[in-house]
Amino acid sequence: QLQLQESGPGLVKPSETLSLTCTVSSGSISSNNFQWGWVRQPPGRGLEWIGDVFYTGGTSYNPSLKTRVTISVDKSKDLLSLRLDSVTAADTAVYYCTRRVPNTSLRDSWGQGTLVTVSS
Amino acid sequence: QSALTQPASVSGSPGQSITISCTGTSSDVGNNNHVSWYQQHPGKVPKLMIYDVSNRPSGVSSRFSGSKSGNTASLTISGLQAEDEADYYCNSYTSSNTWVFGGGTKLTVL
Repeated sequence: QLQLQESGPGLVKPSETLSLTCTVSSGSISSNNFQWGWVRQPPGRGLEWIGDVFYTGGTSYNPSLKTRVTISVDKSKDLLSLRLDSVTAADTAVYYCTRRVPNTSLRDSWGQGTLVTVSS
Repeated sequence: QSALTQPASVSGSPGQSITISCTGTSSDVGNNNHVSWYQQHPGKVPKLMIYDVSNRPSGVSSRFSGSKSGNTASLTISGLQAEDEADYYCNSYTSSNTWVFGGGTKLTVL
């Protein structure tokens, strides 16, 4: 059973960079051409898609975050990464890493999520 | 891109059926069949209930079903049970190669 686990700082200062990683276990990030991505959820609010990275290395981002976000994979370490620049309090959220089957909406694996608070 | 439109809340009694709508545009819901639905209990990870409009992942109860007509997708839960009380979110692929979620619907089982 594939497992995803997010990790990173729980507190980030405004204007700084949020960096998270997602470790893939009981599976490989480079197997079967899955697509990997991030979804976030501000406290008490709904889900927001951040972006996906494809097995080709290409990426797709939420237009509202596109200028600040970078998603990448390190296949040698089975790591998925998220970088969000110039954060504000509005970026406070639980961040989830996910896996999706290509050419479907089957986003079948989610990490447990990690809360990141943006505050000075 | 704008969030898909869902009712803020719906309710039903045990045993009844309810339907949650998810309205988008011809650039998302109406443009393809990559619409999915998630169930989320408080403090828990979202759980995929329906993908590609009407497909159930392994292990999801047959009481959950999905459909689509034009720019509106729907999730129907039949034989409502207390454990179905949760937040539900729709999600759609868009013509811009992005994904968009609905605002979420709180289901209350009376």
